[in-house]
Amino acid sequence: GAVVSQHPSRVICKSGTSVKIECRSLDFQATTMFWYRQFPKQSLMLMATSNEGSKATYEQGVEKDKFLINHASLTLSTLTVTSAHPEDSSFYICSAPQRGGYEQYFGPGTRLTVT
Amino acid sequence: AQSVTQPDIHITVSEGASLELRCNYSYGATPYLFWYVQSPGQGLQLLLKYFSGDTLVQGIKGFEAEFKRSQSSFNLRKPSVHWSDAAEYFCAVGGAGTASKLTFGTGTRLQVTL
Repeated sequence: GAVVSQHPSRVICKSGTSVKIECRSLDFQATTMFWYRQFPKQSLMLMATSNEGSKATYEQGVEKDKFLINHASLTLSTLTVTSAHPEDSSFYICSAPQRGGYEQYFGPGTRLTVT
Repeated sequence: AQSVTQPDIHITVSEGASLELRCNYSYGATPYLFWYVQSPGQGLQLLLKYFSGDTLVQGIKGFEAEFKRSQSSFNLRKPSVHWSDAAEYFCAVGGAGTASKLTFGTGTRLQVTL
């Protein structure tokens, strides 16, 4: 089946720094990718929709200047958490929908810890 | 707006017992429904999905789910639970199109006692 990878799997950064998370579709092209955030013992909340060749669409309440999304190619989307703070510590998961279908393939997630 | 309700936050069953996890959804059009499982610190694994057709769908690991439009439900079932089934289970709803967003329920944590 289709595979989506994320890098890094874990990252620890200091407060005030920025961190970039990559999401790649390994064996298919994705014009759209989704970014979710999951706090401990909570559900996944959609943050934004990443669109190849155009601006990302952010969900209500998500700061677009803080969570920068770039969909550089048909197989790569990046999420940059700028000026990270401890409250940004979370599990970030990306997904890419199957072309022509309605199933989404999820990456393994990135655990971000901001100290 | 689409939404998913999983009324049971935590369920404990004995190994070998049957399991049913409840899911109710709200969606303005034909829903596409999913069940995912997540082990601690891991990503999501798709158990099964419903798009159309037979309302009883079979998934991996012996799971099945039944779509009941009249009740807006998509409950997950397994006849005999194994200790390895202990995990977090999420029900999700989406719509047509590859740009369709998924809305997740709050999840049900399954604990299996030996």
